[in-house]
Amino acid sequence: ELQLLESGGGLVQPGGSLRLSCAASGFTFSSFAMSWVRQTPGKGLEWVSGISGSDGSADYADSVKGRFTISRDNSKNTLYLQMSSLRADDTAVYYCAKGAFLAVPGRIDIWGQGTMVTVSS
Amino acid sequence: QSVLTQPPSASGTPGQRVTISCSGSSSNIGSNYVHWYQQLPGRAPRALIYNNHQRPSGVPDRFSGSKSGTSASLAISGLRSEDEADYYCAGWDDSLSGWVFGGGTKLTVV
Repeated sequence: ELQLLESGGGLVQPGGSLRLSCAASGFTFSSFAMSWVRQTPGKGLEWVSGISGSDGSADYADSVKGRFTISRDNSKNTLYLQMSSLRADDTAVYYCAKGAFLAVPGRIDIWGQGTMVTVSS
Repeated sequence: QSVLTQPPSASGTPGQRVTISCSGSSSNIGSNYVHWYQQLPGRAPRALIYNNHQRPSGVPDRFSGSKSGTSASLAISGLRSEDEADYYCAGWDDSLSGWVFGGGTKLTVV
């Protein structure tokens, strides 16, 4: 069964750092792009970052560029999101999402259950 | 302010047909596929329609999608109480080099 399991969320102070992980199973991880999408409590979805399945090329939303870094370890079937200089408006549920193709612009077809990140003093 | 524009709410009675619109621009809907996601209360989103009108396996044919120019729409026929959810349109934006989403439409079955 195809599964995405996020971990690493929690409470962090403004200006702090946090690393999210997403363990994938049930598919050939290296063959597909992966993304992080976040959802502010009670609000809509916002794409954060995506990484291709092959060469690891990455794209970022302007709101996180320079502060967040996406990476993947295909040998461990795991996706990461390193978040630094965190701000209150980064507070959200962060979803790991699988792309349908190697490249990030391919459609997103599977979503994890999400992990909550709260930035507060 | 979302890049794609959806009505914040929609409603219908059981058995009725409802449509949800999604408006974008030439850099997203106008030049790329539109996808729709359903988010049930307290759950993660799930793919509902892809490539404008295709349904993933397991999605009932009561759900259909269409696209014209820089706009798209999702139609749900034979409305059921279990269709109460938030619905989001999405697409790749060539100018932003990223995925963009609509603000979501909360569907109520009254």
